[in-house]
Amino acid sequence: AQKITQTQPGMFVQEKEAVTLDCTYDTSDPSYGLFWYKQPSSGEMIFLIYQGSYDQQNATEGRYSLNFQKARKSANLVISASQLGDSAMYFCAMRERIPDYKLSFGAGTTVTVRA
Amino acid sequence: NAGVTQTPKFQVLKTGQSMTLQCAQDMNHEYMSWYRQDPGMGLRLIHYSVGAGITDQGEVPNGYNVSRSTTEDFPLRLLSAAPSQTSVYFCASSLDRGPNTEAFFGQGTRLTVV
Repeated sequence: AQKITQTQPGMFVQEKEAVTLDCTYDTSDPSYGLFWYKQPSSGEMIFLIYQGSYDQQNATEGRYSLNFQKARKSANLVISASQLGDSAMYFCAMRERIPDYKLSFGAGTTVTVRA
Repeated sequence: NAGVTQTPKFQVLKTGQSMTLQCAQDMNHEYMSWYRQDPGMGLRLIHYSVGAGITDQGEVPNGYNVSRSTTEDFPLRLLSAAPSQTSVYFCASSLDRGPNTEAFFGQGTRLTVV
């Protein structure tokens, strides 16, 4: 079964607008962590933001925020005030305690920012 | 700090050849992993190691071997390359096991098997 589901293969967003990238996950483990990574066309993987399963507040890092809805098993990434440099592939990922806190990834969402 | 270093960056192999993808980290991280990235499938875990001398299989281990003789190095061996192994390979390292442990990635190796 798919652990991480990203249902949007590709999205277009206008510069300076906000965009929400969907991520749902599947786990029965009470202790887990959720991550978002950015992969620009150059290919490197860049860590953006982290949310722990026990965190009470949504994580924020600059223009990135994570809309964490635990009961719905949802961890959507919100990018505010989009910039041309935000054009990239975005991956949602999860670490579960069992086994060994392996990091599992979703299929990714390609974001294209239009001027 | 170099972080996670992968070599080579590009490689073309003929079917049936073997090769080793190198991965080294200088952050004294216990946890290292190998992923392959294919279009539409995200990153899939091949093998991982929670410390020197300990390795385990991930989601897609067939056709690959790993070893972890030191904390720093985690090479990935392709035993007999097949066209299905054409992919981009990423090595990642993390400080330790835990739900909040960030993974640091190498630059990737683009492998083509003809």
